[in-house]
Parts: sequence; structure tokens; C-alpha cells
Amino acid sequence: RKEVEQDPGPFNVPEGATVAFNCTYSNSASQSFFWYRQDCRKEPKLLMSVYSSGNEDGRFTAQLNRASQYISLLIRDSKLSDSATYLCVAPGGRTTDSWGKLQFGAGTQVVVTP
Amino acid sequence: GAVVSQHPSRVICKSGTSVKIECRSLDFQATTMFWYRQFPKQSLMLMATSNEGSKATYEQGVEKDKFLINHASLTLSTLTVTSAHPEDSSFYICSAQLTSGRVQFFGPGTRLTVL
Repeated sequence: RKEVEQDPGPFNVPEGATVAFNCTYSNSASQSFFWYRQDCRKEPKLLMSVYSSGNEDGRFTAQLNRASQYISLLIRDSKLSDSATYLCVAPGGRTTDSWGKLQFGAGTQVVVTP
Repeated sequence: GAVVSQHPSRVICKSGTSVKIECRSLDFQATTMFWYRQFPKQSLMLMATSNEGSKATYEQGVEKDKFLINHASLTLSTLTVTSAHPEDSSFYICSAQLTSGRVQFFGPGTRLTVL
């Protein structure tokens, strides 16, 4: 089983609509998570950090469900510029070997259409 | 966020040559940098962890003699792909980690094409 799993999509979303998608993780000891966005042929860019039950940043809301071991990302009032691949990222673990490392999901593609 | 630069952004080389990629943290010092590789439509795969002043730690399946990593200062790590072959063609991305947490900031990536 992969450390971090995501629905690859694509999620086709009309402009102005709301879209949400989840990511599951296998390491129950993980404390913090991240959502990165990656545009085609570009590097990942940090979107949000998720340290507790969740947090909100403008149109973006991330939630963490520790009992079920998943993180969600919700995008409200979708813009055309939100079209990207969203990467769910979990820490690699607490062992010396994995400290500092990040485990990346394969990404969820979101396509916002006019 | 913190700024990480990477050079070159794109390189095309002949099979058998070596290619050096530089990763610099521009506005902070990074004791740890990471090197990833990403093939089309796949996720980032960690290749190695680069620690300033010590040997890099390579992930399973990554040949340390083929992918040479040097982290000589707190702001610079280099990856050299030695004797490159067409199967090494990929998008190579570095990241630098703030000492205060786990967040990694990524360089813009280097697209390597080996003919």
C-alpha cells in the first residue's frame, strides 16, 4: 500500500463551483500535512499546511480526519487559475532515516472550465 | 515563501556525457536539501537527501555513483548525472527545507533530455 493515496481525477469543475477531494495516508503517527499545487511542467508550490483538524485560507479549506486517516481539500468559487494538480504530502516518519522526508501522493488533477 | 533557484532549467546532452545541476537557497540557509525526479504523469520520487558537510543519503534503487551529490555550503547543493543515458531523461527538482519545520520549498526544476 502506498504511503499517500489520491484520486488522480481529473475533476472537471465549472468556474465558480466548489470542488473537494481527499487523500488518505497510512502512517497513523503523522502529525502535519501539506497540500502543494503543481502546474504542468512546473515545480510544486506550497498551498497550505495542515497541522490540526484543519485550516482555511481564502477560498481553500483543508481538513484533517485522524480517525479515518484522510485529509481533504475544498476549493470554493473555483477560478480558471485553480486548474492544476494538487499534491497531498505527508511527513516521512519519525525514524532517523525518514526524518525530514516527505511522502508525495500522485496528485489530483483539477480542471476548471469556463 | 522561501526562494530556491535551480540551474540550468533545461539541458539537452548526448548519451555518455555528465550533467551538473545546481540548487541554491537564495534567502535562507538550508542544512538539508532534497533531490527528486519526476517522470511524465507520475509523482515526485525522492532520489536522495543532501546534508551540508556530510555524505548524501540515497533512496533504495538510486545509484550513488551515477547521481553524485555535493552539498558544500548551506546554500548550494549540486547533482551530477554521470554518463547520462536516454532513460535518465526526466524532470529533476531540488527542494530546501527550513530548519524550523518540515516544509520544503522547491526549485523550478531542470528538464534533462539525453539523446
